[in-house]
Amino acid sequence: AQSVTQLDSHVSVSEGTPVLLRCNYSSSYSPSLFWYVQHPNKGLQLLLKYTSAATLVKGINGFEAEFKKSETSFHLTKPSAHMSDAAEYFCVVSGGSQGNLIFGKGTKLSVKP
Amino acid sequence: GAVVSQHPSRVICKSGTSVKIECRSLDFQATTMFWYRQFPKQSLMLMATSNEGSKATYEQGVEKDKFLINHASLTLSTLTVTSAHPEDSSFYICSAREDRAYYGYTFGSGTRLTVV
Repeated sequence: AQSVTQLDSHVSVSEGTPVLLRCNYSSSYSPSLFWYVQHPNKGLQLLLKYTSAATLVKGINGFEAEFKKSETSFHLTKPSAHMSDAAEYFCVVSGGSQGNLIFGKGTKLSVKP
Repeated sequence: GAVVSQHPSRVICKSGTSVKIECRSLDFQATTMFWYRQFPKQSLMLMATSNEGSKATYEQGVEKDKFLINHASLTLSTLTVTSAHPEDSSFYICSAREDRAYYGYTFGSGTRLTVV
């Protein structure tokens, strides 16, 4: 069965410093992986997705993620945090029993001035 | 790009009443629609999956008679919360998938349901 584990429920960084949100996945085959962001009381926005092409995936707003099969990881990074990055981030894997996406528990990112 | 319009964005209803939530795919045909529920400070949990013209498949623990799903056309799916109770208060969000774009999942903007 497919699953994702987000290793941190809350990450706090200062504005201008790097962001690292960690995600490990479990899959019986090569998965498709996604990162979504959700701002308070808002819907979901796709940041980036990996679908077995390049292992380093660049997304919107300066985010990127690297698929590492040997480590079963798909960590999300950004070189320099902005106040507007404060939100909830979900690591997501495809391959649910109904063809649905499976969400991690989320990581809340706080950005301090 | 693909857009899914979800309405209403917020609704407050009294206990015992029913609420209908609509999701429309605006520029593509949604052969499959997924309905998720998100409780405060929690992740999204799949409630049910619907395919156009067939009955929805519900996840374990989700009451079929309480959460009625209709996917009558390739561009419209509805979720009706019947006889709503305060514990049904949650954020409901739909996700449409177009078969031609297997990894193309488009999410609606969500509906905040509050039952008083």
